[in-house]
Amino acid sequence: AQTVTQSQPEMSVQEAETVTLSCTYDTSESDYYLFWYKQPPSRQMILVIRQEAYKQQNATENRFSVNFQKAAKSFSLKISDSQLGDAAMYFCAYAGGSNYKLTFGKGTLLTVNP
Amino acid sequence: DTGVSQDPRHKITKRGQNVTFRCDPISEHNRLYWYRQTLGQGPEFLTYFQNEAQLEKSRLLSDRFSAERPKGSFSTLEIQRTEQGDSAMYLCASSLAVGLYNEQFFGPGTRLTVL
Repeated sequence: AQTVTQSQPEMSVQEAETVTLSCTYDTSESDYYLFWYKQPPSRQMILVIRQEAYKQQNATENRFSVNFQKAAKSFSLKISDSQLGDAAMYFCAYAGGSNYKLTFGKGTLLTVNP
Repeated sequence: DTGVSQDPRHKITKRGQNVTFRCDPISEHNRLYWYRQTLGQGPEFLTYFQNEAQLEKSRLLSDRFSAERPKGSFSTLEIQRTEQGDSAMYLCASSLAVGLYNEQFFGPGTRLTVL
């Protein structure tokens, strides 16, 4: 079975600084997708960024980028120029090649300090 | 269309009662998923539908749980004889399965408290 591990229950960052959230996963599949989801307090989960395993290039979405290390099964999220609105719970998630059900990590609570 | 909606947003019930939740997906999305999220944990997959067909159920979905998606539109999740361990946030998501990738859009969730 696939597992996703987020080893940082909480992280904090100063506004305008950069922070990296860690995620590792375990799978025997060769074709899969990885995601970072953001869940603000009392608000619904939204997709931040995704990475297809077959792509070697790391995904980037504005201030958000990933460091995908397939051999190490590592998938970290870097948030640059952190903003107060980035404060949320961040979940790393995995989906197999058929890409339906998501397997989530336990999440990392990010606090952004002004 | 403003996204996935769920009703009710909050439900408080007594142990042993039955509860039913509703999820309205984004129109034209053919896949619908249910997840459960307990405090301090990430969401866990419960079940999913492609159109009206329920294609997979997690072992987390005991016999007390049943989900339907009549006509491939909205979906309901019913929990019979609720237990305190059922207290959780129940999340619904939908996607349009096109090719190999389909982004799941989540609803706001239904928070269930079993007393």
